[in-house]
Amino acid sequence: DQQVKQNSPSLSVQEGRISILNCDYTNSMFDYFLWYKKYPAEGPTFLISISSIKDKNEDGRFTVFLNKSAKHLSLHIVPSQPGDSAVYFCAAGGTSYGKLTFGQGTILTVHP
Amino acid sequence: DGGITQSPKYLFRKEGQNVTLSCEQNLNHDAMYWYRQDPGQGLRLIYYSQIVNDFQKGDIAEGYSVSREKKESFPLTVTSAQKNPTAFYLCASSIAQGPQPQHFGDGTRLSIL
Repeated sequence: DQQVKQNSPSLSVQEGRISILNCDYTNSMFDYFLWYKKYPAEGPTFLISISSIKDKNEDGRFTVFLNKSAKHLSLHIVPSQPGDSAVYFCAAGGTSYGKLTFGQGTILTVHP
Repeated sequence: DGGITQSPKYLFRKEGQNVTLSCEQNLNHDAMYWYRQDPGQGLRLIYYSQIVNDFQKGDIAEGYSVSREKKESFPLTVTSAQKNPTAFYLCASSIAQGPQPQHFGDGTRLSIL
């Protein structure tokens, strides 16, 4: 049972435009969500997180939106840059959990 | 410079042999984790540890074992009972368990010959 799903395996975007990566979850006990970026043969790097008491969190070019009623979160990257090309994972956890659950990842390609 | 060190980066072993992957952190984090990454399946949790001398099974613990004798170290042994051990293994740590970002090492790619 996949509790965190990223339904788009890949996304291609032009440099300077917006990239929107989506993630859905099923477990209503999740109250903390994170996005990670991963380059090949390296470990994931933490990007941004959001708690369920918020519906938006911004950090520079990265914004995460949380829609609790739809159990959906998204990561917006504006403007997109070629260096953003990587695999993006969403993850979910909670105060009653000792672990995170990860989605399958979305490969983002930003074309110059 | 604080971080998580996984060694070696590439590891080759013959079928039927046990192999141990190293993970060391100098972040003074209490919690440590082992994940496995396979193509198209994201990161799956093998084992995690909240404090020294304590650890719990994750979602795919069969065929693996761990120890946590020191706060800094969380080695993972892939035993011969693991049916499909070839994968990319990632170690992570966090300040404590629960809603905290986890910081990752650069992984070890294990290939069984």
